[in-house]
Amino acid sequence: DARVTQTPRHKVTEMGQEVTMRCQPILGHNTVFWYRQTMMQGLELLAYFRNRAPLDDSGMPKDRFSAEMPDATLATLKIQPSEPRDSAVYFCASGLGRQAEGTQYFGPGTRLLVL
Amino acid sequence: GQSLEQPSEVTAVEGAIVQINCTYQTSGFYGLSWYQQHDGGAPTFLSYNALDGLEETGRFSSFLSRSDSYGYLLLQELQMKDSASYFCAVRGTGGFKTIFGAGTRLFVKA
Repeated sequence: DARVTQTPRHKVTEMGQEVTMRCQPILGHNTVFWYRQTMMQGLELLAYFRNRAPLDDSGMPKDRFSAEMPDATLATLKIQPSEPRDSAVYFCASGLGRQAEGTQYFGPGTRLLVL
Repeated sequence: GQSLEQPSEVTAVEGAIVQINCTYQTSGFYGLSWYQQHDGGAPTFLSYNALDGLEETGRFSSFLSRSDSYGYLLLQELQMKDSASYFCAVRGTGGFKTIFGAGTRLFVKA
């Protein structure tokens, strides 16, 4: 049963702390997306990778957010320093090739609360 | 700019048929997707239309009219478990960037 996995599932931290979220895409998928979901803003694309290369991270606050793919089986999203306004659910999604433009498989999300 | 519009809420009765509309505005268009999300869950892919017409998958169907920049998701034989939020999404310009609508919350009543 191929699924996108994310860790941690829940994270509570204090303002100013570093937060690292991890994602394992479905094996064989070469496109990985990071989304943030809040009640106010809905689903926002933060960054995405194809074949491990970052294609677009224009949706990501550059001063505190960073995204990487150390290898094909791991994507990371880091916030440093974290702020209360970063509280949200962060989803990772993966897709295969051109199909990824319309068909994305989401992980369960990381629910982040910054106090 | 790029934008999608869909109703914020729809209510229907169990066993009925409901249609959720989506209009979009993009500088380039490749296809329209639909996702379902239950409270506390993750979005789940439902369908993708790249060409005009109706695509049917079980109780769910999705329609696209590129000339009208319009699509809809049709849910038949509604069940209580269909109560969820439904998002339409389009691929924006440049790579695989995806833009999601604000979502339509569907309430299915007994």
